[in-house]
Amino acid sequence: DIQMTQSPSSLSASVGDRVTITCRASQNIDTYLTWYQQKPGKAPELLIYAASTLQSGVPSRFSGGGSGTDFTLTISGLQREDFATYYCQHSHGTRTFGQGTKVDIK
Amino acid sequence: VQLQESGPGLVKPSETLSLTCTVSGDSLNNYSWSWMRQSAEKGLEWIGRIYTSGNTDYNPSLKSRVTMSVDTSRNQFSLQVTSVTAADTAVYYCARGDGYCIRTTCYGLLAFDIWGQGTMVVVSS
Repeated sequence: DIQMTQSPSSLSASVGDRVTITCRASQNIDTYLTWYQQKPGKAPELLIYAASTLQSGVPSRFSGGGSGTDFTLTISGLQREDFATYYCQHSHGTRTFGQGTKVDIK
Repeated sequence: VQLQESGPGLVKPSETLSLTCTVSGDSLNNYSWSWMRQSAEKGLEWIGRIYTSGNTDYNPSLKSRVTMSVDTSRNQFSLQVTSVTAADTAVYYCARGDGYCIRTTCYGLLAFDIWGQGTMVVVSS
């Protein structure tokens, strides 16, 4: 199976900060990469698919990039409602998720 | 579109875990439907997916113990996991998706775009 490694595992940030989370695949997955946001006690919610396409209704401060093995999720101007855990997931064979990056308030 | 998981919250070791996902607001047709689970030990794990044709794709790590089925007349799909152990304790989610690719052509959204709220299943005697 393709392994997905996120970094950092957690980070502390302030409202208004620019935050970048990295996801690395153990082999080439082209742009078959999805990002989700999960808040405590809730199911994950789709943010970005195909590495960089914003899901309908997701604020434009979220953006994704990358291809092959290295991907990023950037939040430009962190808002209070963005404090959550973020997961990457690939769709190239058996689907696997990264271990998550928790974004909390500094 | 809303998804809702249902089933026992407690299952004894060696028995079978059975869950159903009821879809409201849309037909099951034209999509695949998946099950995921989440535990502190393993994180988020894709269990598999089923199409309305009945075709399935399972995670190889669980394939020998997993069966999925679909009932289009009730707008439901189901999951069974046999011979459960404590390692199967998790929050189980159903979700819509995802798509698939054949060579360079992809069909459907390659993402899980709608999720149920999740249901906690504990394996314990």
